[in-house]
Amino acid sequence: DQQVKQNSPSLSVQEGRISILNCDYTNSMFDYFLWYKKYPAEGPTFLISISSIKDKNEDGRFTVFLNKSAKHLSLHIVPSQPGDSAVYFCAAGGANSKLTFGKGITLSVRP
Amino acid sequence: NAGVTQTPKFRILKIGQSMTLQCAQDMNHNYMYWYRQDPGMGLKLIYYSVGAGITDKGEVPNGYNVSRSTTEDFPLRLELAAPSQTSVYFCASSYSGGRIYGYTFGSGTRLTVV
Repeated sequence: DQQVKQNSPSLSVQEGRISILNCDYTNSMFDYFLWYKKYPAEGPTFLISISSIKDKNEDGRFTVFLNKSAKHLSLHIVPSQPGDSAVYFCAAGGANSKLTFGKGITLSVRP
Repeated sequence: NAGVTQTPKFRILKIGQSMTLQCAQDMNHNYMYWYRQDPGMGLKLIYYSVGAGITDKGEVPNGYNVSRSTTEDFPLRLELAAPSQTSVYFCASSYSGGRIYGYTFGSGTRLTVV
């Protein structure tokens, strides 16, 4: 039973446009959420996080939005750059401090 | 500052062999984790530790063992390797569960069991 779902396996966007990566979760006990970026042959790297008490967190070109009632979060990348091409994982955690990861989405940014 | 170091990077094992995947961190993080990633799948938690001397099972612990004798090291032991353990293994660490700054991951160990 997947508690964190990234239903789209891939996304392709034009350089300079917005990339929107979506994530859904089922466990109401999750109270913080993170996005990771992963390049081939490397470990995931932390990108941005959001607490359940917020609905938006911004860091440069990256913004994460959280809709608790819908159990949905999204990562917006504006403007998208070719170097953003990677696999993006959504992750969620609760009081036990263990993260549950989605399957990831492959983002391709076309020059 | 090396972060999280995993060795080896690649390994091929025969069915029934054993090995230890090494993980070390130099950030004085109290929490450490082992995840595996199968093709097209997310990361699944194998074992984790909240401090030296304390370990607990994650989602997929069968076939693995861990120990945490120091803050820095968190080795993962595979006993009697099986083809189902073919995967990429990631070690990670965090300060107090990674609530704000997430986990720091190593670069992974790609294991093939034949």
